[in-house]
Order: sequence, then C-alpha cells, then structure tokens
Amino acid sequence: KQEVTQIPAALSVPEGENLVLNCSFTDSAIYNLQWFRQDPGKGLTSLLLIQSSQREQTSGRLNASLDKSSGRSTLYIAASQPGDSATYLCAVRPIQGAQKLVFGQGTRLTINP
Amino acid sequence: EAGVAQSPRYKIIEKRQSVAFWCNPISGHATLYWYQQILGQGPKLLIQFQNNGVVDDSQLPKDRFSAERLKGVDSTLKIQPAKLEDSAVYLCASSLTGLTGFNEQFFGPGTRLTVL
Repeated sequence: KQEVTQIPAALSVPEGENLVLNCSFTDSAIYNLQWFRQDPGKGLTSLLLIQSSQREQTSGRLNASLDKSSGRSTLYIAASQPGDSATYLCAVRPIQGAQKLVFGQGTRLTINP
Repeated sequence: EAGVAQSPRYKIIEKRQSVAFWCNPISGHATLYWYQQILGQGPKLLIQFQNNGVVDDSQLPKDRFSAERLKGVDSTLKIQPAKLEDSAVYLCASSLTGLTGFNEQFFGPGTRLTVL
C-alpha cells in the first residue's frame, strides 16, 4: 500500500529565505508526483507535476525534484514571500491498483515579514 | 477556461440530517473525483467516475454516502444520515481522462461541512 509522508508538518521562516519542503513515498511504481498549494478554506491549486521519467520541474521561484528510486521529492521555494504562506501537499499516482492520487498530510508554511 | 465549480461552499447541519453537494467539472473532462479532507490531513479519494460509470468507490462509506453522475457531466454527493466524523472539506476534481495515469487533476474550491 502506497504511503506518502511530508516532513515537517509545519515550518516558519523569515521572508526572503530559500526553503525546501520534503515528501517521501513508499512505492516507487508511480506515474507521476504532483505538488499542490492549499490556502485556508480553499481548494487545491496544482503547482508542479513531475512525470515518472522526469527528474525535476520548474515554475517561477518553485523547483520540484523527483528521485523515484529513493522515493523522495523536494519542493524548493526561492526568495520566499509572505504570499507563499499556505499548506503544501504532495501526491503520487501509483501504477498499481486503482491509480488514485495518494496524498501526504501536508506542510503548513508561514513566511514572516 | 472555467474551473471546477462546487456548491454550496459551506454547510452546517446537525447529526442524522442529510446533505448534498454538487460539482460541475471542467468542460470535456471525462473523469470526476470526490475527495474528503479532514482537518490536518491530506485529501482521501471517496469515488472516481469515468464518464457516468464508477471506476473506484472502495473508500466510500456506502451505508451513508452515495454519489451519482447520471449524464456524465455534473455530479452530486449525498450523505444520509450525517455523523459528527463527516465534518470535513469535500473536494471535487476532474481530469481529461483517468485511464492512463498521466492526466493532471484540477480541483474545485471545496465544500466545508460542519456536523453538529
């Protein structure tokens, strides 16, 4: 059974710092991995999707990497801003079974001005 | 392009009452998903439709939850009767197709349910 873990559960950093969020998964047989952002009381906004054949994806100040063999992904946020404060979720789509997205519990990020 | 629409955005009910949520996916998206997200946890898939057929409902509490997508477009999720532990955000998502595994899911704003 695929399990996804995100560490830390919460992170608070001063504005302007670069930071890394971590995601690990137990089964490397995945189609893709997706990072989402969730603002309080809102739905999920997709940030980056990395296919299993890719090593990384970049969008603006965000860079996501994928090491499928070790079951790990990182989301790098450069030059953090208060507007980056949100919960960040990663999810994998397993090849086996029902192929439904399996989510981690999220990292709540706070950027302090 | 319009996104995934959900209504209502918020609902407060008492336990043992019934409630229904509505979702309209992105136009042309064949696959529709309902997720339950309990506070502090990641979303959990309740049911997945491919057009108007059910692909996966293994985590749907069928004694109280039901869902339908009769015309293969919009969908309703119903809870009857509601329990306190059903308090959560119910998220709807859609993708072009869920068959290959490569298609990105797009999420609606969610319905926040509080059961008192």
